[in-house]
Amino acid sequence: DAGITQSPRHKVTETGTPVTLRCHQTENHRYMYWYRQDPGHGLRLIHYSYGVKDTDKGEVSDGYSVSRSKTEDFLLTLESATSSQTSVYFCATGQNNQPQHFGDGTRLSIL
Amino acid sequence: AQTVTQSQPEMSVQEAETVTLSCTYDTSESDYYLFWYKQPPSRQMILVIRQEAYKQQNATENRFSVNFQKAAKSFSLKISDSQLGDAAMYFCAYRIAGNMLTFGGGTRLMVKP
Repeated sequence: DAGITQSPRHKVTETGTPVTLRCHQTENHRYMYWYRQDPGHGLRLIHYSYGVKDTDKGEVSDGYSVSRSKTEDFLLTLESATSSQTSVYFCATGQNNQPQHFGDGTRLSIL
Repeated sequence: AQTVTQSQPEMSVQEAETVTLSCTYDTSESDYYLFWYKQPPSRQMILVIRQEAYKQQNATENRFSVNFQKAAKSFSLKISDSQLGDAAMYFCAYRIAGNMLTFGGGTRLMVKP
């Protein structure tokens, strides 16, 4: 596997609070991604990064921001969490034209 | 926009039997990749099999094989000799160059002993 660690694994927080999820990889993959998984929707891409400080929006980027200051770390931030952002969040990594590797997911509940 | 459709929310199969999971996709691209991922209760996403669109031969990985029909934009997964450990959510996914995966909604597979 690509040595992907997501933290925290579980989090419960209140509406309006900021939340940051962290993804750490040990394989030096160029690309990193954040997805959310919701019933009936599969995984949807939130943001992705193609290098340090190089990021772009995915399909469902509203309400989320990301940062990548080092190759190994990709942070996802919810500036002001809303109940609609309750979901399971997956980080993934990949190289050009190679299948992506996924982390174990973070279950986020916003009350 | 590309879309991936899995029309079977749930499927069940008897242990040792064969099951086929359906997937269709919509794209205007000619060069792309297709994948099947398995997600067990642990939530980890595991790559099961991949298919390059330019290859006519269907991909196989041990008990897993695909039926890739490019003209029909269909990419089904066949699991032979089903095992209890095959029980999971299965996601079909599509990608063009640039690594943007588009996933279907998933099919929950149950395996009966």
